[in-house]
Amino acid sequence: DTGVSQDPRHKITKRGQNVTFRCDPISEHNRLYWYRQTLGQGPEFLTYFQNEAQLEKSRLLSDRFSAERPKGSFSTLEIQRTEQGDSAMYLCASSGQTDTGELFFGEGSRLTVL
Amino acid sequence: QQPVQSPQAVILREGEDAVINCSSSKALYSVHWYRQKHGEAPVFLMILLKGGEQKGHDKISASFNEKKQQSSLYLTASQLSYSGTYFCGNSGGSNYKLTFGKGTLLTVNP
Repeated sequence: DTGVSQDPRHKITKRGQNVTFRCDPISEHNRLYWYRQTLGQGPEFLTYFQNEAQLEKSRLLSDRFSAERPKGSFSTLEIQRTEQGDSAMYLCASSGQTDTGELFFGEGSRLTVL
Repeated sequence: QQPVQSPQAVILREGEDAVINCSSSKALYSVHWYRQKHGEAPVFLMILLKGGEQKGHDKISASFNEKKQQSSLYLTASQLSYSGTYFCGNSGGSNYKLTFGKGTLLTVNP
């Protein structure tokens, strides 16, 4: 499978715990995005990387959230001191150098905070 | 601002046509359409650029009225596989930061 892969697919955690999600983009894609999706809503932009540089972060990304893409390949999204409001599907997407506008989404990591 | 989609939901019989609308209160640079099936990743359908032509493939096409800041997605002779939630997304000037609408749930029945 050469699509965008995310791990884990599901995570249940207790409030206050830290969680980390990993995204492996399509190998030749230099652009990587994190979006968050809650029930009944469209995906909401969180952050964007071009290679290893994080070029933009949404205001939605509080200081408890941090994302990295250390070698310009895979990316991690960490949420510290989780809150119930963090429960959502976290979607990763990637796109190539040619700006066709097409984002290739992974199937997401579903977070449930109890 | 989040684009507004209408209708919120539509139920069709196979072979019927549907139109999904997307409007924005701010000037649009481009409009992006995605379809998401339950439990799956959103899948890109098409992008419409300001000043560009109407796009389409198979029996799904779309238009972009820059003046009215609206886009419409046309599904012709719907198939069962068209079922899913359709999202429009707009960007203010770059393709990476999209603001999506709440989606339109399309159900196609036999």
